[in-house]
Amino acid sequence: NAGVTQTPKFQVLKTGQSMTLQCAQDMNHNSMYWYRQDPGMGLRLIYYSASEGTTDKGEVPNGYNVSRLNKREFSLRLESAAPSQTSVYFCASRAGSRSQHFGDGTRLSIL
Amino acid sequence: RKEVEQDPGPFNVPEGATVAFNCTYSNSASQSFFWYRQDCRKEPKLLMSVYSSGNEDGRFTAQLNRASQYISLLIRDSKLSDSATYLCVVSLPNDYKLSFGAGTTVTVRA
Repeated sequence: NAGVTQTPKFQVLKTGQSMTLQCAQDMNHNSMYWYRQDPGMGLRLIYYSASEGTTDKGEVPNGYNVSRLNKREFSLRLESAAPSQTSVYFCASRAGSRSQHFGDGTRLSIL
Repeated sequence: RKEVEQDPGPFNVPEGATVAFNCTYSNSASQSFFWYRQDCRKEPKLLMSVYSSGNEDGRFTAQLNRASQYISLLIRDSKLSDSATYLCVVSLPNDYKLSFGAGTTVTVRA
């Protein structure tokens, strides 16, 4: 009963390095999302994918790229990490107009 | 104006007390409403959906007031385990995106 699985759970990068955050869901949901959450702030949408083969920008897309690899998987890539991207990243999925289900997050620090 | 606004709190209440708080939304066409809880920067988890007629789940009661564009959450007989941040979530019809409030923090003390 995995739900939404994110990897890695923790990562430390140096400024300028690149990395990909992985997300997979086993609930057959069409929509998938990437959020970031900074201390004292709410969730901010980075990118989302309404269905396999489509991706759209959210509120804070700059510095990120995404790939909807298939219905299950939605990855987030930082091409050149910056300290301002230090955050907790959550992936979520959703079926239709129902509620979202979240992964347990990736804690990312960029030095 | 933010799409979803919440009183950040914190609401500090003793065990057994009742606590209630609201969330306002700006778009009158909003159709789906949810309350999530989030513990200590862990992932948000669905607490309950909010239906037009209001609904209850154990000690939790959610209400929707479309005329004034707010939803509310009431927690009866508060437990220590209810200490968390409660997120108000709203979405429009046929919109894949959801709008999250910044959260209301509740602390239940012994």
